[in-house]
Amino acid sequence: KQEVTQIPAALSVPEGENLVLNCSFTDSAIYNLQWFRQDPGKGLTSLLLIQSSQREQTSGRLNASLDKSSGRSTLYIAASQPGDSATYLCAVTNDYKLSFGAGTTVTVRA
Amino acid sequence: EAGVAQSPRYKIIEKRQSVAFWCNPISGHATLYWYQQILGQGPKLLIQFQNNGVVDDSQLPKDRFSAERLKGVDSTLKIQPAKLEDSAVYLCASSHPWGRLVEAFFGQGTRLTVV
Repeated sequence: KQEVTQIPAALSVPEGENLVLNCSFTDSAIYNLQWFRQDPGKGLTSLLLIQSSQREQTSGRLNASLDKSSGRSTLYIAASQPGDSATYLCAVTNDYKLSFGAGTTVTVRA
Repeated sequence: EAGVAQSPRYKIIEKRQSVAFWCNPISGHATLYWYQQILGQGPKLLIQFQNNGVVDDSQLPKDRFSAERLKGVDSTLKIQPAKLEDSAVYLCASSHPWGRLVEAFFGQGTRLTVV
């Protein structure tokens, strides 16, 4: 059974600092990995999707890397802003099934 | 393209009552998921449909939860009778696999409070 872990559970940084969020998974036979953002009381918004054959994916200030063999992904958010405050979740796909971590709750202080 | 639609957004019921949630996936998406997200935790898969058929319902409490997906489109998740521990956000998602690539899109969720 796939286990997904996100560390740290919570993070507080001053505005302008770069954010580094970690995701690890136990079964490296994944098809793809997806990073989501969740605002309080809302659903999940997809940020980035990395296919298993890719090493990284970029969108604006966001960059996600994937090291499938070691079971790790990292989400980098450059020059953080208060609007980046949210919970960030990663999900991995095995056999068409998504498994989620518990998320990292980020607070960016103005 | 329209996103995943869910209703209602919020529901408050007393324990032992019944409740139903509705989901309309993105048009053409064959796979539909229902997740339960308890405060402070990641989403937990309750049931996954591929068209009309159930792919995985191993974590669905079948003594009280049921789900159906008619004609491979809309889906309904029901809880009867509800317990206090069912208080959570219920998320619906859909995807259209391209080979092994699965990109999931989520609705806004239904927040259920059982009192």
